[in-house]
Parts: sequence; C-alpha cells; structure tokens
Amino acid sequence: DGGITQSPKYLFRKEGQNVTLSCEQNLNHDAMYWYRQDPGQGLRLIYYSQIVNDFQKGDIAEGYSVSREKKESFPLTVTSAQKNPTAFYLCASSPTRGTEAFFGQGTRLTVV
Amino acid sequence: GNSVTQMEGPVTLSEEAFLTINCTYTATGYPSLFWYVQYPGEGLQLLLKATKADDKGSNKGFEATYRKETTSFHLEKGSVQVSDSAVYFCALPMNTGFQKLVFGTGTRLL
Repeated sequence: DGGITQSPKYLFRKEGQNVTLSCEQNLNHDAMYWYRQDPGQGLRLIYYSQIVNDFQKGDIAEGYSVSREKKESFPLTVTSAQKNPTAFYLCASSPTRGTEAFFGQGTRLTVV
Repeated sequence: GNSVTQMEGPVTLSEEAFLTINCTYTATGYPSLFWYVQYPGEGLQLLLKATKADDKGSNKGFEATYRKETTSFHLEKGSVQVSDSAVYFCALPMNTGFQKLVFGTGTRLL
C-alpha cells in the first residue's frame, strides 16, 4: 500500500542529545514537510522540501535540521539546541502540482 | 499570505446531534480548501476537499461548501456518532503554485 511511514512512534531523548526522526514515502511525491504539534495546538511548519537536495525553513526551524538525499526520504534531526522539543511530530508529502497533503502517523518525542 | 480562522473548541454534542464547525479564510484568488481529521494519537487524514468556489465536498456524512461570498468553508454533519470524536482542522494552501498548507488551530469534537 502506498503511504507515509514515520518511525519510531514513540521516542525518548535525554537532554543534550540529538535524535533523528524517520519519514519515508512511496507515493512518488516531490514535496515533503515536517510539522510540530503541541497539546491542544495547531500545526506549525518546521521545514519543507520541494525537490531532492533542496529544502527551506518553515516557521519554527531553529534547533532542527533536515536532509533530502532521496525523493522518498526526509529525516528530521532534533538537535540539543531545540529548547523545548517535547511534542508530536508529523511528516507529510504532496505532489508538487497536486492539492492535498498526505500525513504519516506521527512520532511522539519526549525529553526525559 | 493566505490564512484560516477556525472556531475554538471543544464542541460537545450528544450522539445524533447536528454538527457545525465554522471556518473562514483569507486568500488571494480561489485556492482549494480542505478539512482534515485527527483521531487520538494519530496523524491527520484528509476528510474532504473543494477545489473551486461553490463546490461541495463530502465524505462519511460530512459536508462543506466553498462559499466565496462569505469566504467560508463550514463543516457540517447531520447526525454525529461517538466515533466522530476527533480534532478537525480546516486548511488551505499558503500560496499558489506550491501546495504548502496553512492550518487552522483545530476544533476538538467530543
């Protein structure tokens, strides 16, 4: 089945550590996105990529980094510079000239 | 840029009650409009969409009509079920030419 796979579903990080969240899609979509969702809040855009080897900062990119070496993969690294990383992270993709975005099941990151 | 405003929740209803969740937008031109649903602990799923003015999107008993006169895209369902309990997000593209979406703050339905 085509879709977006995020892993892991739950992730625990110690303060001062970097962690990487995985996002893979087999929909052949050009565009991919990372959003952050805090409890009771909407979605905020962290980074997005329109094409391989290209990505742009979203509204809250500080403390995060991404790469887009393959069309199907868009991993997000939460660095130690992110002061409040505990949140629910959502990856999405869309055809560049399409309309709706398709979402993964999310990764819940908790700093311990 | 384009933006969307959603009614705040939570919305608490009895089973079989009528549901309306308000969404208004500000946009250049007439972009596609979307409603997404998020069940507890899960990602977002597209619920319905409308691609042009006066279109009506529908799915699973939910409906929304793209009204350019009132710049609205209200979500409605005639008879809600317990299984409809979720958070609903209204969304539209942030700008034309690239489908980066901007979302409302979400409305929780109980």
